Amino acid sequence: QKEVEQDPGPLSVPEGAIVSLNCTYSNSAFQYFMWYRQYSRKGPELLMYTYSSGNKEDGRFTAQVDKSSKYISLFIRDSQPSDSATYLCAMKVGASPDMRFGAGTRLTVKP
Amino acid sequence: GAGVSQSPRYKVAKRGQDVALRCDPISGHVSLFWYQQALGQGPEFLTYFQNEAQLDKSGLPSDRFFAERPEGSVSTLKIQRTQQEDSAVYLCASSFGGGPEQYFGPGTRLTVT
Repeated sequence: QKEVEQDPGPLSVPEGAIVSLNCTYSNSAFQYFMWYRQYSRKGPELLMYTYSSGNKEDGRFTAQVDKSSKYISLFIRDSQPSDSATYLCAMKVGASPDMRFGAGTRLTVKP
Repeated sequence: GAGVSQSPRYKVAKRGQDVALRCDPISGHVSLFWYQQALGQGPEFLTYFQNEAQLDKSGLPSDRFFAERPEGSVSTLKIQRTQQEDSAVYLCASSFGGGPEQYFGPGTRLTVT
């Protein structure tokens, strides 16, 4: 079993839909939880990160962390075709440089 | 050109050849990371530099992989005697400190034939 599990999809939604992306993890020592967006043939781009449990909102994006369930989510409201990409969750312990990624979920938003 | 740059963007190597991949981090960024991303997978950590010091190389898959950052800026990842299983995208990232905000380059896609 991998340390970070993420459903690879693919996920296809109509424009304007609310998208829910999720990851589960096994290492309870993880403290930082990140969401990256990766377009084809590009490097990952950090969308947002959360320290420990709780919610964080940035525009149309909301990240949630539930450490008791070892479960994190990213919600995208009013999804746009430009949101079509692969979304990667990532986690790390404190100051450790070793960031562990999920496999990524490929999202397509259809006009 | 404020982002992380990598070169070459694409590299084809015959099995057994040595390759060198270059990373130019964002100016002033102290921390530099290398990752390997296999097709359909998330990036996997290879190694970490703080300035010129390689503080963590626990993710390097074998002694054929070697990384350096001699002047604390540009970094090179070298793979000796390439094997087919080395085929992947190699990503470089940099950050100002040791925090979670890492900025990635576009990657070098290595194909070993």
